[in-house]
This record gives sequence, C-alpha cells and structure tokens, in this order.
Amino acid sequence: DTGVSQNPRHKITKRGQNVTFRCDPISEHNRLYWYRQTLGQGPEFLTYFQNEAQLEKSRLLSDRFSAERPKGSFSTLEIQRTEQGDSAMYLCASSLARDKDPGNTIYFGEGSWLTVV
Amino acid sequence: AQTVTQSQPEMSVQEAETVTLSCTYDTSENNYYLFWYKQPPSRQMILVIRQEAYKQQNATENRFSVNFQKAAKSFSLKISDSQLGDTAMYFCAFMKRASGTYKYIFGTGTRLKVLA
Repeated sequence: DTGVSQNPRHKITKRGQNVTFRCDPISEHNRLYWYRQTLGQGPEFLTYFQNEAQLEKSRLLSDRFSAERPKGSFSTLEIQRTEQGDSAMYLCASSLARDKDPGNTIYFGEGSWLTVV
Repeated sequence: AQTVTQSQPEMSVQEAETVTLSCTYDTSENNYYLFWYKQPPSRQMILVIRQEAYKQQNATENRFSVNFQKAAKSFSLKISDSQLGDTAMYFCAFMKRASGTYKYIFGTGTRLKVLA
C-alpha cells in the first residue's frame, strides 16, 4: 500500500495555459475525490468518482475544469485557460466503499500545488 | 446546506499538556459523520478520529478523544499528553449519511503548535 500519489507536486504556469494533474489512488479503492485548498482555508469539494463514474460535481467546478477516471483507477484533473484565481493546492483522496459503512474514511494524497502567474 | 466552523485559528500548548480544539457545525440532518483530520507541515492530511452521530459514546483513539454534543452541534477534539509531532493544522469535517453523496465539508482549520 503506497498511499495516494499525486503528480506533479508543484506546477507553475502562465495564465491562459492548460494544466493537468494526475492522481493514483490506493489500490482497490473504488472512490476517488478531488478537493481544492487555498491558504488559510479547509479543503473544498470539487468532484468524486465511484469507479469510472463521476457521481457528483461541485458548482465550484467551472467549465474550464474537467476530471476523468477512465478505467476506474487513476484520475486526471485538467484546468483549461488557467486564471490566477486557480492558484491553490489540488488534493486527491480515495476510499473503499463498504455498503455497511457509508462513513468511509478517505485517504489524502500530498496534493499538487498550482501557481498561475 | 451544512457548515462547519472552527473558531480558533491558532492555538499553542506546552509539551505533555492537554489542549482542546473546538468545532461547531450546522445541519438539519440527523444521521451524519464527523471527523478530525490532521495536516502536518508536509501537507498530507491524515485521519485522527471519527464519530458517528447515532452513537452517543464519544470516540477515543489513544491520546485523542472527542466531546460530541449532538444537541449543541459541537464536536471538540481533546489531545492529551501533547507531543511535538502533534504540531499541525487540524480540520474538523462533516459528512452526511445519505446514499449517493460522500462529500466532506471541512472547517477552516486550527493551527496547533506544541511548544517544547
């Protein structure tokens, strides 16, 4: 069990460029989440997948943001036409769904820092 | 909509002492889960403790315990025998127990510093 892995860990990009982050969840975890965290704030929910299906998206997720989990394993989060307000840490988390335990514990990765200049 | 409030942006405690972090939440749900997560300077968040709302007994994990007051919608974290490694941001989180949604709502966090 190597934990949730995210890359790149840091990305500096110019405004208007596209960026993509990758998340590899803990193996066997069927749920995968993306959160965004800015300085001084707690993580804000963006979206989550159960296997390959994207089941919920936050209104924070504008049309410039897209997330995929094509084979139900790793996931990518792409931000198109980046804006300075997109600067944040993007956290990925995963969990194992158990019908008898809906309050499943989620395990976070170390996050991917995005700086838009 | 659910909200989670942590009213203490920063706290400090002497090593080996006890400290309590506050958390209040607002919800109309009756069944839900509450969590405390720790985010050390390395930034990876890890679960400290969790409480199921339908359980009256307060959760305990070694030096960490909670005081869950459902009627008051309060969920405080007590850290006993504080250690230098407890220095971190602590986030309180809420998740409603309803099928089809597994979204965590986090508070803004409390920065805890344990002093030698």
